[in-house]
Amino acid sequence: AQSVTQPDIHITVSEGASLELRCNYSYGATPYLFWYVQSPGQGLQLLLKYFSGDTLVQGIKGFEAEFKRSQSSFNLRKPSVHWSDAAEYFCAVKQYGNKLVFGAGTILRVKS
Amino acid sequence: GAGVSQSPRYKVAKRGQDVALRCDPISGHVSLFWYQQALGQGPEFLTYFQNEAQLDKSGLPSDRFFAERPEGSVSTLKIQRTQQEDSAVYLCASSLIGGETGELFFGEGSRLTVL
Repeated sequence: AQSVTQPDIHITVSEGASLELRCNYSYGATPYLFWYVQSPGQGLQLLLKYFSGDTLVQGIKGFEAEFKRSQSSFNLRKPSVHWSDAAEYFCAVKQYGNKLVFGAGTILRVKS
Repeated sequence: GAGVSQSPRYKVAKRGQDVALRCDPISGHVSLFWYQQALGQGPEFLTYFQNEAQLDKSGLPSDRFFAERPEGSVSTLKIQRTQQEDSAVYLCASSLIGGETGELFFGEGSRLTVL
């Protein structure tokens, strides 16, 4: 069965610094991959997705992610973090039957 | 409506009590999903509807969990004889067409606490 691993439970970065959140997946074929963000008291919001084609995908709020098949990774990046980016971030892979399998999440704290 | 609406936002139940959680998806969305998110974990799939048909209920943890979407819009997740391990946030999501793109729109969730 497919699985998603987010190795970092918590990450703290300074405002204005760059960010990389790690995601590794387990899937036999070409995966459909997603990053969602969950702010306190709000629903999950889709940041970006990868289905095929260009391995570097752009999303909302200045985020991007790179699909690396050789490393089974789909890491999320942002060149300059803003205080409003503090939230929990979830990587997910689409399983058969339209299900999404989520990682355990990474909580991002931004220091001013 | 503008987004996926869930009610109640918070529910405290005594062990053994039955609860019902409601989801009102985005108007016109064909697919509807229920996920369970335990504390400190990512969401886990419970069940999936396409219109009124429940196409996948493989994630429901026991026969105490039941979901329905009788008219292909509003859905209800019912939990009978609640147990402490049922304490979690229950997320509803909807998708325009079949959910194949994975672009799910999530509600804010219903937080269930079982005492």
